[in-house]
Amino acid sequence: NAGVMQNPRHLVRRRGQEARLRCSPMKGHSHVYWYRQLPEEGLKFMVYLQKENIIDESGMPKERFSAEFPKEGPSILRIQQVVRGDSAAYFCASSPERGPEAFFGQGTRLTVV
Amino acid sequence: GESVGLHLPTLSVQEGDNSIINCAYSNSASDYFIWYKQESGKGPQFIIDIRSNMDKRQGQRVTVLLNKTVKHLSLQIAATQPGDSAVYFCAETDNFNKFYFGSGTKLNVKP
Repeated sequence: NAGVMQNPRHLVRRRGQEARLRCSPMKGHSHVYWYRQLPEEGLKFMVYLQKENIIDESGMPKERFSAEFPKEGPSILRIQQVVRGDSAAYFCASSPERGPEAFFGQGTRLTVV
Repeated sequence: GESVGLHLPTLSVQEGDNSIINCAYSNSASDYFIWYKQESGKGPQFIIDIRSNMDKRQGQRVTVLLNKTVKHLSLQIAATQPGDSAVYFCAETDNFNKFYFGSGTKLNVKP
């Protein structure tokens, strides 16, 4: 059973471009979380999704950021018109049910130049 | 959001010694507390969790203690090994919709 897969591992975007971050949860997991981490800091919650539903997006900026978890395929975190302040590591975690144990991917490190 | 913070940003221990990493939280409504280990360049890895109706839970070489009176959480690692070197985060949740992470403690194990 493969772990949580995130791609790309590294992404470089120019200011104003769009960034698409993908997360394939572990097999059988229908709960996905996205977190953002700045260097030397803890993870900040962004959004919690179940298949085809956004359950909690209270950590998502109101503009430019969106997330989806379709019935088929990976979960996508989309950042439009990126700015330098969006540079960070973005982690996805999945779990089979609502519970304390979540499995994290390796993260996508976004650099905006 | 709720505040989950750590007392010590860096902890250095000798190989074989026991390590204690501390964490303070502020949300009395939190029902679960979790410890994660994050190695450089990797995602966090679940270590152990404890529910709010417990005050102690043991795993393999690790023990988590919860003191709800002072809103304090600690992770004890027995016989610390070089492979334990990492950043350790505590996290809390009250409904599993979101998890609040602390800022992390870096554990440095000296051979």
